[in-house]
Amino acid sequence: KNEVEQSPQNLTAQEGEFITINCSYSVGISALHWLQQHPGGGIVSLFMLSSGKKKHGRLIATINIQEKHSSLHITASHPRDSAVYICAVLSSGSARQLTFGSGTQLTVLP
Amino acid sequence: GAGVSQSPRYKVAKRGQDVALRCDPISGHVSLFWYQQALGQGPEFLTYFQNEAQLDKSGLPSDRFFAERPEGSVSTLKIQRTQQEDSAVYLCASSRWGADTQYFGPGTRLTVL
Repeated sequence: KNEVEQSPQNLTAQEGEFITINCSYSVGISALHWLQQHPGGGIVSLFMLSSGKKKHGRLIATINIQEKHSSLHITASHPRDSAVYICAVLSSGSARQLTFGSGTQLTVLP
Repeated sequence: GAGVSQSPRYKVAKRGQDVALRCDPISGHVSLFWYQQALGQGPEFLTYFQNEAQLDKSGLPSDRFFAERPEGSVSTLKIQRTQQEDSAVYLCASSRWGADTQYFGPGTRLTVL
């Protein structure tokens, strides 16, 4: 079993829809990252959070430490949101590398 | 300032060739990470530097992989005697310190024929 599991693997939505991507992890963590990867490989960090909720524009990330679960929400989705969204965790008490989920491919249709 | 840069962006190598991949981190960033991303998968950790010290190389898949950061800034990932299974995107990331937000470079796509 992977330490970081994401669902769904693929998601197709119509423009304007509310989108949720889920991430579950099995290890103790000090922080969780949500990353966005566009075709061509470039990765952008969207959020780093260790508790509660963060919001940036139309993006919202939440985390429940007790349940080892995080969600990324996109409100009023747009075709430019189409990308791979990756959840990654920084294990507590370990070296500093991230452990990544396999990503969620999001396609938003106009 | 400038972000993390990597070169080359694309590399095609014949099986058995040696390759060197370069990463220029954000100036002043202490921590530098290398990750390997196979097609359709999430990145996987290779190695981690704090300044010039390689603190963790547990993710390097074999002794054909070698990384260095001699002056604590630019880093090079070298792969000797490349194999087809080495084909992947190699990502470099840097951060101000180990647990801080990591900033990723665009990656080097390596194809071994």
